[in-house]
Amino acid sequence: ETGVTQTPRHLVMGMTNKKSLKCEQHLGHNAMYWYKQSAKKPLELMFVYNFKEQTENNSVPSRFSPECPNSSHLFLHLHTLQPEDSALYLCASSQGTPRKGDTEAFFGQGTRLTVV
Amino acid sequence: DAKTTQPTSMDCAEGRAANLPCNHSTISGNEYVYWYRQIHSQGPQYIIHGLKNNETNEMASLIITEDRKSSTLILPHATLRDTAVYYCIVRLLYNFNKFYFGSGTKLNVKP
Repeated sequence: ETGVTQTPRHLVMGMTNKKSLKCEQHLGHNAMYWYKQSAKKPLELMFVYNFKEQTENNSVPSRFSPECPNSSHLFLHLHTLQPEDSALYLCASSQGTPRKGDTEAFFGQGTRLTVV
Repeated sequence: DAKTTQPTSMDCAEGRAANLPCNHSTISGNEYVYWYRQIHSQGPQYIIHGLKNNETNEMASLIITEDRKSSTLILPHATLRDTAVYYCIVRLLYNFNKFYFGSGTKLNVKP
């Protein structure tokens, strides 16, 4: 248990569906991240939020829409996805301001998404 | 951030030390070396990080060469549960936008 919780753990959705992934952390962190991990590929950084403000968007298609209502919660809204979007989606959090000894990122267990 | 190079895979006998190398020849003076591991289909787990001095914690030791162009993660007594992909990342300490993962090293611990 890392303190970062993702729900659901598994999701199967059709290409016309709309779904949302949820990430929650109670570690007091201010930065939250979404990563995508496709089969046999490295983790790809998608979005970064710091103090609820989006600070990084790595050319992610608009069918992925992040939302960060507060520093403890992060959502990834999905709509009209393609089969190639099937992957493990990972959320992480870390301290967004300097604080000695607390710089690493903590990851959730991920949501395994299958688009059919 | 500096790029890292790691071997694709390594084998280690259970109970022996596992030494995982990482090259980061373009590292700058204020960049740290971080190590994470990912057990199959789980989220990555933080292991250790360091700047220039060797570091040790309950999980592993990190040896950084004097010129800082390479480092080695040491698992002193590998167990089957240490089988995972190990990632070496170089980043600025508080650069929260820059946790980029490469391909990592698949460590296979064998009985």
